[in-house]
Amino acid sequence: GAGVSQSPSNKVTEKGKDVELRCDPISGHTALYWYRQSLGQGLEFLIYFQGNSAPDKSGLPSDRFSAERTGGSVSTLTIQRTQQEDSAVYLCASSQAAGFSEQYFGPGTRLTVT
Amino acid sequence: QKEVEQDPGPLSVPEGAIVSLNCTYSNSAFQYFMWYRQYSRKGPELLMYTYSSGNKEDGRFTAQVDKSSKYISLFIRDSQPSDSATYLCANRPPGGGNKLTFGTGTQLKVEL
Repeated sequence: GAGVSQSPSNKVTEKGKDVELRCDPISGHTALYWYRQSLGQGLEFLIYFQGNSAPDKSGLPSDRFSAERTGGSVSTLTIQRTQQEDSAVYLCASSQAAGFSEQYFGPGTRLTVT
Repeated sequence: QKEVEQDPGPLSVPEGAIVSLNCTYSNSAFQYFMWYRQYSRKGPELLMYTYSSGNKEDGRFTAQVDKSSKYISLFIRDSQPSDSATYLCANRPPGGGNKLTFGTGTQLKVEL
């Protein structure tokens, strides 16, 4: 079946502009996660949605970052007033339920802020 | 200090070698321990996970956890060029939903 998909695959933007990154999770998965992968930093947790519960935003690095998940499916990560340090690969993952369950990752969106 | 430490490599080995990849972690409350494999320009995929101390085998792969020294290892036997990838260790802290804490990853190259 279809895996997690993300769009765009690559995004180049100018410093100060806003960007939106999209994630389509695996159908039926109730949990959705956003991570950021920077050179030398590994994957950093950003935000986690589980069903209708309030999202866990504890990993968002600043108030320029926000995310929403509409209808319990598609999610959008928005970065406002982008900075060069925002350049990274943004990865989305989904899993079947809360608690321990395998997270399936998408291919990521490579964001470059010039 | 990062919660999960991992040597970034790169590590280069000949085909057929036994590979040892290692991570240390600082939070003794961590429960599940996972190894992910990430090919270039792809998302990570789960290789193995374990909950307890000791060894877990799956084909050519063995995951080893030592909770007393907060040390986790992944061994790859009879390594193949297709094993060339970045290997990430990850931990799931208790009470943290399902969000994971990752190491920086070790880049492995298996040469013909």
